[in-house]
Amino acid sequence: GAGVSQSPSNKVTEKGKDVELRCDPISGHTALYWYRQSLGQGLEFLIYFQGNSAPDKSGLPSDRFSAERTGGSVSTLTIQRTQQEDSAVYLCASSPDGHPGNTIYFGEGSWLTVV
Amino acid sequence: AQTVTQSQPEMSVQEAETVTLSCTYDTSENNYYLFWYKQPPSRQMILVIRQEAYKQQNATENRFSVNFQKAAKSFSLKISDSQLGDTAMYFCAFMKRWDAGNMLTFGGGTRLMVKP
Repeated sequence: GAGVSQSPSNKVTEKGKDVELRCDPISGHTALYWYRQSLGQGLEFLIYFQGNSAPDKSGLPSDRFSAERTGGSVSTLTIQRTQQEDSAVYLCASSPDGHPGNTIYFGEGSWLTVV
Repeated sequence: AQTVTQSQPEMSVQEAETVTLSCTYDTSENNYYLFWYKQPPSRQMILVIRQEAYKQQNATENRFSVNFQKAAKSFSLKISDSQLGDTAMYFCAFMKRWDAGNMLTFGGGTRLMVKP
């Protein structure tokens, strides 16, 4: 597609339920990132995928969070047993090859509300 | 670890005027990249301008320019001839040049309102 596509745009879930957030990066981009934007914590890095390399999971806040990237393209961020503090906008981004000087393109985010 | 600080939570400017947004950062790295991102109500983060730390010349993109002071670890954004469409959140961000994870570290943001 023309840009980074994320779904759902908005999601309301009950505390304790699992949620899946999807990201479709720009075609041909090998680098994919997930960030979380919340009122209390600002923008936080969660996880980074680059090609076939092992992902950098250093930003995942707990073992309830996991992400996978299938076929080097679409990525799914899964949050198990959601808590109210998980409420945030989850932003996905991609870049051509992960080089630090390349532009990182962001999607419009998935707004998660846990009630 | 790197930190990025934006000391102005909110700013406003009259249309056609000039405004400067402040950003300071802390790092022990010598080579790195600095960015300004704009986030309108649509939530999509859009790259405004990028500066490579080893380049002394300040980056410019049309009405947007930066004042990069490496010794002072300061990276301010100047918006000239402000337009209503410039109303948005602006985030300053840092990336280490050779960081394999290419992680962006963001400041807390400045909400800019351009008034007609």
